[in-house]
Amino acid sequence: AQSVTQLGSHVSVSEGALVLLRCNYSSSVPPYLFWYVQYPNQGLQLLLKYTSAATLVKGINGFEAEFKKSETSFHLTKPSAHMSDAAEYFCAVSLFNNNDMRFGAGTRLTVKP
Amino acid sequence: DAGITQSPRHKVTETGTPVTLRCHQTENHRYMYWYRQDPGHGLRLIHYSYGVKDTDKGEVSDGYSVSRSKTEDFLLTLESATSSQTSVYFCAISGTELGDYGYTFGSGTRLTVV
Repeated sequence: AQSVTQLGSHVSVSEGALVLLRCNYSSSVPPYLFWYVQYPNQGLQLLLKYTSAATLVKGINGFEAEFKKSETSFHLTKPSAHMSDAAEYFCAVSLFNNNDMRFGAGTRLTVKP
Repeated sequence: DAGITQSPRHKVTETGTPVTLRCHQTENHRYMYWYRQDPGHGLRLIHYSYGVKDTDKGEVSDGYSVSRSKTEDFLLTLESATSSQTSVYFCAISGTELGDYGYTFGSGTRLTVV
């Protein structure tokens, strides 16, 4: 069965610094990969998704992620952190249909002034 | 907003009592899902629906039942609540079952079983 592992349950960066949130996947077939963001007391919001059209995917709020098959990774990056980026981020993988969707445990991002 | 609401937003209930959570959507989407979110576990699928009266189990379905009598409403019932069911519950919708589509989530229901 497919799965994702998010490395680091908490990441702290300074405002203006690079944001790097790590996600590795396990899948027997080419997967679909997603990043979601959750702000306090809210539901999850789709940031971006990889569906095999392009390995570098751009999402909302300046985030992007690169699919690397050789490393089975789909890390999320943003060149310059903003205070408003503080949230919890979830990586997710699905295969043929949405009923197969599996989520990582989440990474909480803190942005220091 | 995507037109998905959950009610109630917060609930405290006693062990052994039945509890029903409601998910309502105005998007006319066919697919609806119930997840629970627990620290260290991310989100785990409880049940899902692929149409009116068509439902199936997810990976953590024990102790839960669902019903969907109308396209817009998906109900999650805890027949006899236990403390292990204290969690945040999220409903999600999708217009297609295709794996590349992703979900739209509700704002969640925080359930505490005492």
